[in-house]
Amino acid sequence: SAVISQKPSRDICQRGTSLTIQCQVDSQVTMMFWYRQQPGQSLTLIATANQGSEATYESGFVIDKFPISRPNLTFSTLTVSNMSPEDSSIYLCSGDPSADTQYFGPGTRLTVL
Amino acid sequence: GENVEQHPSTLSVQEGDSAVIKCTYSDSASNYFPWYKQELGKRPQLIIDIRSNVGEKKDQRIAVTLNKTAKHFSLHITETQPEDSAVYFCAAITSGTYKYIFGTGTRLKVLA
Repeated sequence: SAVISQKPSRDICQRGTSLTIQCQVDSQVTMMFWYRQQPGQSLTLIATANQGSEATYESGFVIDKFPISRPNLTFSTLTVSNMSPEDSSIYLCSGDPSADTQYFGPGTRLTVL
Repeated sequence: GENVEQHPSTLSVQEGDSAVIKCTYSDSASNYFPWYKQELGKRPQLIIDIRSNVGEKKDQRIAVTLNKTAKHFSLHITETQPEDSAVYFCAAITSGTYKYIFGTGTRLKVLA
């Protein structure tokens, strides 16, 4: 398994600003992913964070809005840029140490005013 | 594209009764099917998983069955307890990638 932490756990931000969320895994993982979860909804994959190369984004998500870094096998960041109230959500990262089973971070609850 | 349907969306059972949640996937090449439990305000936690070369897997009160021909898999919880109350998500891994496609979730309420 893998133990995953995220920072911050929650934040309240003003419209037009950006927030960077950090994800730290306690061991090296092959794959890291970023998800968005609206209240009462399922998890929607934003992108796969690739170590040493650009992230792979899902349909409806673009790099300019959600830039992602993955400098090594245990760390990744997601930035939510030029935020609007529609970006209010829970953002979760996950790590996949065995290339099958994903373990999730505790999430970052973002509120945009 | 790939899709995972999950039913029911809500399920209420009496304590001690069994609960069954069903998922159907579209990608016949999917080969790994995890189930996650998410309590309010918490992260999704893996509770059981099954691979395509196995028809059934059991872990104490929890079991998962897989029917590859019909492309569906089910979570079975026996002797339910109030602490089983949560939202449960199924997922299927897409072939050729390590990406999950999640079901829409089932809110399980166990009534004491």
